Amino acid sequence: DTAVSQTPKYLVTQMGNDKSIKCEQNLGHDTMYWYKQDSKKFLKIMFSYNNKELIINETVPNRFSPKSPDKAHLNLHINSLELGDSAVYFCASSPMFSSYEQYFGPGTRLTVT
Amino acid sequence: TQLLEQSPQFLSIQEGENLTVYCNSSSVFSSLQWYRQEPGEGPVLLVTVVTGGEVKKLKRLTFQFGDARKDSSLHITAAQPGDTGLYLCAGARGGSQGNLIFGKGTKLSVKP
Repeated sequence: DTAVSQTPKYLVTQMGNDKSIKCEQNLGHDTMYWYKQDSKKFLKIMFSYNNKELIINETVPNRFSPKSPDKAHLNLHINSLELGDSAVYFCASSPMFSSYEQYFGPGTRLTVT
Repeated sequence: TQLLEQSPQFLSIQEGENLTVYCNSSSVFSSLQWYRQEPGEGPVLLVTVVTGGEVKKLKRLTFQFGDARKDSSLHITAAQPGDTGLYLCAGARGGSQGNLIFGKGTKLSVKP
């Protein structure tokens, strides 16, 4: 009965590799998000999709590409990984973009060596 | 640029003590949210405040939104070890509820 799930939980990879993180929500929400939390616990929005349409695209390197095959899934693909990409990535969802509440997944800890 | 400043950054107290965490900005927000995050988990929404001057209570937690909607506070009465965690405030950027700006958090440790 997990609401927002992410895979994998941990991801260790080398610089230059390409990796993907998957996110699924079973809440029937229209809007999904990707956030990055750095080592100092600062949480920053990266992308938001509403009904599979991109509505927020913050200043993120274009090595990061979100993909939403349907409104229950929002995946994050990262090309040419760099050391500075090491962080915890959180997926979240909300009923609508105008909703006050967001529900977060458990996070994916990405370590680039 | 809208920013949210949280204070204190760290707080370590004994069980039973009271505490207040602050979230301040020079910008007006249409709403502010408070989340709690435990190690290895995602943030969990505690409350949303929308109206200036609004006060909401959640058991021993009291949340207040400033009259001018630029600041908020979280007061915990008789803190318990289970209150330990990272407390984050978040504001809706430009009035867009889904576009949240987060403060840098207050790490609370309650010792038994």
